[in-house]
Amino acid sequence: KQEVTQIPAALSVPEGENLVLNCSFTDSAIYNLQWFRQDPGKGLTSLLLIQSSQREQTSGRLNASLDKSSGRSTLYIAASQPGDSATYLCAVLPDGSSNTGKLIFGQGTTLQVKP
Amino acid sequence: DTGVSQDPRHKITKRGQNVTFRCDPISEHNRLYWYRQTLGQGPEFLTYFQNEAQLEKSRLLSDRFSAERPKGSFSTLEIQRTEQGDSAVYVCASRLTGQGIDEQFFGPGTRLTVL
Repeated sequence: KQEVTQIPAALSVPEGENLVLNCSFTDSAIYNLQWFRQDPGKGLTSLLLIQSSQREQTSGRLNASLDKSSGRSTLYIAASQPGDSATYLCAVLPDGSSNTGKLIFGQGTTLQVKP
Repeated sequence: DTGVSQDPRHKITKRGQNVTFRCDPISEHNRLYWYRQTLGQGPEFLTYFQNEAQLEKSRLLSDRFSAERPKGSFSTLEIQRTEQGDSAVYVCASRLTGQGIDEQFFGPGTRLTVL
């Protein structure tokens, strides 16, 4: 059974710092992995999607990497800003669920960027 | 707004009452998903529809839960005889298959509080 874990559960950093959020999964047979952002009271916003054949994806100050063999993904945020404060969730789409689209989420990391 | 919408956004009910939530997916999206998110956790898959057909249900979906998508557009999720353990955010997502796009688009969720 695929399990997704995110550590730490919460993180507080001063503005301007570069930071890394971690996501690990137990079964390397994944179709893709996504990073989402969730603001309080709002829906999930997709940040980056990495297909299983890819190693990384970049969007602006965000860079996500994927190492399937070790069951790990990282989300790198450069030059953090207070507006980056939110909960970040990673989700995997297992190979066996590529048709159904059943995502398996981690618990999330709540990030606070202090001015 | 052409995103996924959910109604109501918040629902407070007494234990034993029935509640119904609605999800309006992005127009023309053939797949519709329901997830449940409890405090400090990521969303957990409940069920999904391909057009009007409900194709899979999680073991989390007890017989008190029923979901429909009668015309392949909007969907409803009903919980009968609510229990305090049903308190959670019920999140809807939609997806268009067959276009080479694996992304699900999420609604803001309906927060259910059972007293």
